[in-house]
Amino acid sequence: GAGVSQTPSNKVTEKGKYVELRCDPISGHTALYWYRQSLGQGPEFLIYFQGTGAADDSGLPNDRFFAVRPEGSVSTLKIQRTERGDSAVYLCASSPSRASGSEQFFGPGTRLTVL
Amino acid sequence: GEDVEQSLFLSVREGDSSVINCTYTDSSSTYLYWYKQEPGAGLQLLTYIFSNMDMKQDQRLTVLLNKKDKHLSLRIADTQTGDSAIYFCAESKGSNDYKLSFGAGTTVTVRA
Repeated sequence: GAGVSQTPSNKVTEKGKYVELRCDPISGHTALYWYRQSLGQGPEFLIYFQGTGAADDSGLPNDRFFAVRPEGSVSTLKIQRTERGDSAVYLCASSPSRASGSEQFFGPGTRLTVL
Repeated sequence: GEDVEQSLFLSVREGDSSVINCTYTDSSSTYLYWYKQEPGAGLQLLTYIFSNMDMKQDQRLTVLLNKKDKHLSLRIADTQTGDSAIYFCAESKGSNDYKLSFGAGTTVTVRA
């Protein structure tokens, strides 16, 4: 595809359940980022991948959150034992390289609602 | 993020200029960005400025940076209804620091 795609676009789950959110970056982009955007706020950094490895996961709020990128392309953000406070829009972005100034291209996001 | 602050709302008449302001706290910020977010769409990078610059112009957009006061502004000339959106200021902190820190966003409403 031409841009970053994310699936599903909306996910409603119950408290305590497990969810997976998928990101397909732009082909050839080595850097991939996950951000979380709560209502009325700007996006907050969660985790960054360079290739297959998580180069920086300092933004993950706790150990219920985990992300993988096994083949250096598609990434999955996994949330265990979801809580109502996890409700937010989860944004994925990719860029050709990791350097500052290298544009991050954002997907449309997955809106997660935890009931 | 608390490191980047923006006013929350701006209303402007079609055809007028819009000015969106942003302040940041970290003097080591290297790049400063303006993103646009429309309903149902992803964040779109509008422009960015390197910290050793004080102005950048791109068609209807003018970015001004006052590094001493840690103040960034985005001016949109001849504002159109299609400019109605949320505008986010963001910073990255180092020459190899990829993480973006965003403000809470300014909702711009263009009225006829």
